[in-house]
Amino acid sequence: DGGITQSPKYLFRKEGQNVTLSCEQNLNHDAMYWYRQDPGQGLRLIYYSQIVNDFQKGDIAEGYSVSREKKESFPLTVTSAQKNPTAFYLCASSMSNKRGEAFFGQGTRLTVV
Amino acid sequence: GEDVEQSLFLSVREGDSSVINCTYTDSSSTYLYWYKQEPGAGLQLLTYIFSNMDMKQDQRLTVLLNKKDKHLSLRIADTQTGDSAIYFCAETEDSSYKLIFGSGTRLLVRP
Repeated sequence: DGGITQSPKYLFRKEGQNVTLSCEQNLNHDAMYWYRQDPGQGLRLIYYSQIVNDFQKGDIAEGYSVSREKKESFPLTVTSAQKNPTAFYLCASSMSNKRGEAFFGQGTRLTVV
Repeated sequence: GEDVEQSLFLSVREGDSSVINCTYTDSSSTYLYWYKQEPGAGLQLLTYIFSNMDMKQDQRLTVLLNKKDKHLSLRIADTQTGDSAIYFCAETEDSSYKLIFGSGTRLLVRP
């Protein structure tokens, strides 16, 4: 079945550590996105990629980094520069000509301990 | 700038209709969307409406768009307990890759 998979579901990070969240899709979508969700708030865009080897900053990119070496994969690294990383992270993908019709992964809940 | 606003909470009785409202500020929005998020999960696209339409119906879901007032609503007929979730309104522009989300409306369906 086609879909988008995030791993792990839960992740704990010590202060000062970098961690990488995985996102893989087999929908043959060109565009992929990372969002951050905090309680009682909507989703905020961290980074997005329209095509392999290209990505752009979203609204809250500071303290995060991404890569897009393969069409299927768009990993997100939360660096130690991100001062408040505890949140629910959602990855999504879409066809280039149907940007708003996004397919979402099940999310990764990151907690700083 | 772009902004999408929703009320935070709605409680209805099972079998009643639910109406979730949304206002947006960007008059250049081409499409407007409704997404559903169940607890601890990702978002699922429910339906969308093109900006030149007033209404769209899809089974139990009815979307109404008032472009003049920049108001969007989602009506769920015969609401079931399985409809309990957070509902997000979102918009896109032609020139942007961003989906702009509202803060979500938590729908609670009481038996």
